[in-house]
Amino acid sequence: QVQLVESGGGLVKPGGSLRLSCAASGFTFSDYYVTWIRQAPGKALEWISYISGSSTYTNYADSVKGRFTISRDNAKDSLFLQMNSLRAEDTAVYFCARLAAPGLNYFDYWGQGILVTVSS
Amino acid sequence: DIQLTQSPSSLSATVGDRVTITCRASQSINSFLNWYQQKPGKAPRLLIYAASSLHSGVPSGFSGSGSGTEFTLTISSLQPEDFATYYCQQSYSTPYTFGQGTKVEIK
Repeated sequence: QVQLVESGGGLVKPGGSLRLSCAASGFTFSDYYVTWIRQAPGKALEWISYISGSSTYTNYADSVKGRFTISRDNAKDSLFLQMNSLRAEDTAVYFCARLAAPGLNYFDYWGQGILVTVSS
Repeated sequence: DIQLTQSPSSLSATVGDRVTITCRASQSINSFLNWYQQKPGKAPRLLIYAASSLHSGVPSGFSGSGSGTEFTLTISSLQPEDFATYYCQQSYSTPYTFGQGTKVEIK
């Protein structure tokens, strides 16, 4: 079965950096776009970035552009999010998710989420 | 950016009730509208994609309709496990945006 498992979250000071990982299993990872979505405490979901199967295409929300970098390692079935210059407003649960099909762009499988807290 | 507005923001209902949630887009998104269910402390779960297609494994009591700027999610007969928060999401263009959520609570 499809599984996505995030890791790497935690407490970081404002201006600091953190790298999230997402381990995928149960499907041919390289065939799919994958994405990061976050949810601040008590708030709605916010899409932040996606990457294509071969890493050719990436896209970012304006709120993270220039600070966050998405990448993947298909040999290790892993997705990453490098987060730099972190701000208090980046505090959220971060989910990785699979895009079901190019062109339709819905998220059919999600990880359980990992908490990132930005605070001094 | 395309804004999605859900109504109501919350509702109270009883088991067996028919429940309808509306999602309005700030511009036409054809049928690029998806619905998710989220329970506290859990990841969202895909229910409906492309406005009206039921995702694999989702009970047939859930249905979606609409196109353009107005969409609805209907639960035909509310079950105890359906009490949750529901989000719409547009996949017409990036940034992919979500509605603010509709919390379905027990009356």
